[in-house]
Amino acid sequence: RKEVEQDPGPFNVPEGATVAFNCTYSNSASQSFFWYRQDCRKEPKLLMSVYSSGNEDGRFTAQLNRASQYISLLIRDSKLSDSATYLCVVEGEGNTPLVFGKGTRLSVIA
Amino acid sequence: DADVTQTPRNRITKTGKRIMLECSQTKGHDRMYWYRQDPGLGLRLIYYSFDVKDINKGEISDGYSVSRQAQAKFSLSLESAIPNQTALYFCATSDLGGASGWGEQFFGPGTRLTVL
Repeated sequence: RKEVEQDPGPFNVPEGATVAFNCTYSNSASQSFFWYRQDCRKEPKLLMSVYSSGNEDGRFTAQLNRASQYISLLIRDSKLSDSATYLCVVEGEGNTPLVFGKGTRLSVIA
Repeated sequence: DADVTQTPRNRITKTGKRIMLECSQTKGHDRMYWYRQDPGLGLRLIYYSFDVKDINKGEISDGYSVSRQAQAKFSLSLESAIPNQTALYFCATSDLGGASGWGEQFFGPGTRLTVL
């Protein structure tokens, strides 16, 4: 299994829709999980960290499932401005730096 | 002012030329990283540094070298550029953080490099 795997998409959804992304990871010992957002030709920026108990930030909810080794991101009431690529990020194996998934592209359509 | 800056922002060069990309940060972080991003391949780690005296190879270090001149500066060199090094290059910094010591990374705006 690759260290971090994501469905590349694209996910094309109408405004107001709810959309969910999953990401699987191979490092069962990982303690650090994040979702980053990257706009076209821009640098990645932290969207939210993912905590064991799950966490919510406005319209965004992140969940961690250690048993199945996946994390998820739920976006409610999608806005046009949510259109971007969402990167799943997990601690690397053997105390190596964070590993970035290839990203899932989201397009929110009016 | 941006916390992580990269120069140049765009560069076109020819095969065989030596190129240096520079990164500076004002965040006071000890850890710095160089990544390249290619369409469909995501971000791949080239080198990373825990401090001035500690530099480590990443996933794809062949053809690249780095120098950590100070806590705030980390430069990436392509000794003899080749066309398949055409990519978007990002520098990033982080502090110790998170449950395992790998905290949030802060990225520079990127350098778009084209090797002809």
